[in-house]
Amino acid sequence: DTAVSQTPKYLVTQMGNDKSIKCEQNLGHDTMYWYKQDSKKFLKIMFSYNNKELIINETVPNRFSPKSPDKAHLNLHINSLELGDSAVYFCASSLLAATGELFFGEGSRLTVL
Amino acid sequence: DAKTTQPTSMDCAEGRAANLPCNHSTISGNEYVYWYRQIHSQGPQYIIHGLKNNETNEMASLIITEDRKSSTLILPHATLRDTAVYYCIVISRNAGNMLTFGGGTRLMVKP
Repeated sequence: DTAVSQTPKYLVTQMGNDKSIKCEQNLGHDTMYWYKQDSKKFLKIMFSYNNKELIINETVPNRFSPKSPDKAHLNLHINSLELGDSAVYFCASSLLAATGELFFGEGSRLTVL
Repeated sequence: DAKTTQPTSMDCAEGRAANLPCNHSTISGNEYVYWYRQIHSQGPQYIIHGLKNNETNEMASLIITEDRKSSTLILPHATLRDTAVYYCIVISRNAGNMLTFGGGTRLMVKP
C-alpha cells in the first residue's frame, strides 16, 4: 500500500486552464504539505495543513488553493495556469507539525504549454 | 535556519562505504541536522536526523562533530540503488515542517 499517493502522476495542459492534483495519505498523520520542485531541482514548501487547518502559506500566488476535506487528504487546485507553473509537485505528510520527518509522495509532473 | 554546504557530487564504489559531508558552521543550539535523499523521479526520502549525538538506523549512520559545525552521513555498504541526491538540512524542531532543500550532493555508486 502506498503511504502517500498523488494523482495524476503526469498532467499536460494549456495556459489559462484550471487543474487539480489530489493527495491522500494512509499513515494516520495529522499534517500534510505541498512542495514544488522546479526545473533547477530546488524543492520549496508551498503549504502546510495540520488537521485540516492551514498553518503555512509560503508566498504562493493565490491562483493556488489547497483544500483539505479531511486530515487524510490535501488537494491542490490551480487556477489560470501559467508557463512558470510547470514543475513537479510533491505531497508529503508527517505525524506531527513539529517534526522534520516527512513522508513524500511520488510527485505529479505538471507541464503547462 | 542555518545554511548548509555540501559537495555537488561524489562517486563511490559499490560495496564500499559512502561518506557524505555537510558543513553547517552557523548551526544554533536548538537546530537538528536532517538527511534526506531523492532517487531519480521519486519523492524525497527521510534517512536520519540528529542533534549532537551520533545516530544509526537501518539505512545509515550520522556522525556529528563535537562542535556541531559539520556532520557526515555514512552509508556503510553502498549499492547501486543508493545512487541519488542527498540533502543535508538544518532546522529547529519547532519549525520542523519548514524543510528547505538546497542543492544536495549527487552520489553516484559505480559497479
